[in-house]
Amino acid sequence: GQQLNQSPQSMFIQEGEDVSMNCTSSSIFNTWLWYKQDPGEGPVLLIALYKAGELTSNGRLTAQFGITRKDSFLNISASIPSDVGIYFCAGQPNSGAGSYQLTFGKGTKLSVIP
Amino acid sequence: GAVVSQHPSWVICKSGTSVKIECRSLDFQATTMFWYRQFPKQSLMLMATSNEGSKATYEQGVEKDKFLINHASLTLSTLTVTSAHPEDSSFYICSVGNSGALTDTQYFGPGTRLTVL
Repeated sequence: GQQLNQSPQSMFIQEGEDVSMNCTSSSIFNTWLWYKQDPGEGPVLLIALYKAGELTSNGRLTAQFGITRKDSFLNISASIPSDVGIYFCAGQPNSGAGSYQLTFGKGTKLSVIP
Repeated sequence: GAVVSQHPSWVICKSGTSVKIECRSLDFQATTMFWYRQFPKQSLMLMATSNEGSKATYEQGVEKDKFLINHASLTLSTLTVTSAHPEDSSFYICSVGNSGALTDTQYFGPGTRLTVL
């Protein structure tokens, strides 16, 4: 099945700095999703990407669907303390009818130092 | 957005027992809900799509007879972990979507932590 590599695993940054994380896949995806999860809570869907090359923003967050359809990037600009959490990427192949076959990355744990 | 609740928040049970987890959409009628599980300090896994009034659609590798899903109304989906074993210990999360599509806006429940002794 598909494998997703998400990096970095964790990062510590100073408040105000920009953040970048990415996911790469061993196979082609048709959809990329980015989620954020706070400790002990369910995740929140941040951005969904549907086309190769697509660049989508949600406030200070920007995500891109890689041209090769095997990778995606998430950038956070001017980080603030509430950006702390674990960010997950997820990809969906063109699976046709039936299940979604959604694959998640292992997450990037972000810590912001005030 | 939709308000989603889960009950119970956490449950501890003995090996071999069955556990039912409820997912309720409090202010939104959801024809589709999604169930995920998350192992400790690990990533999420989509388990199944719960369809109101019909059978759930399970992801590859998820045992249908082990994880029974019932979506009897537009506001309630239940996940029953049958004959639970320690390896079933996990954080189970449901979500509700505006359109029923996984890639559209999803509202997640707070999760249910299951520990099987």
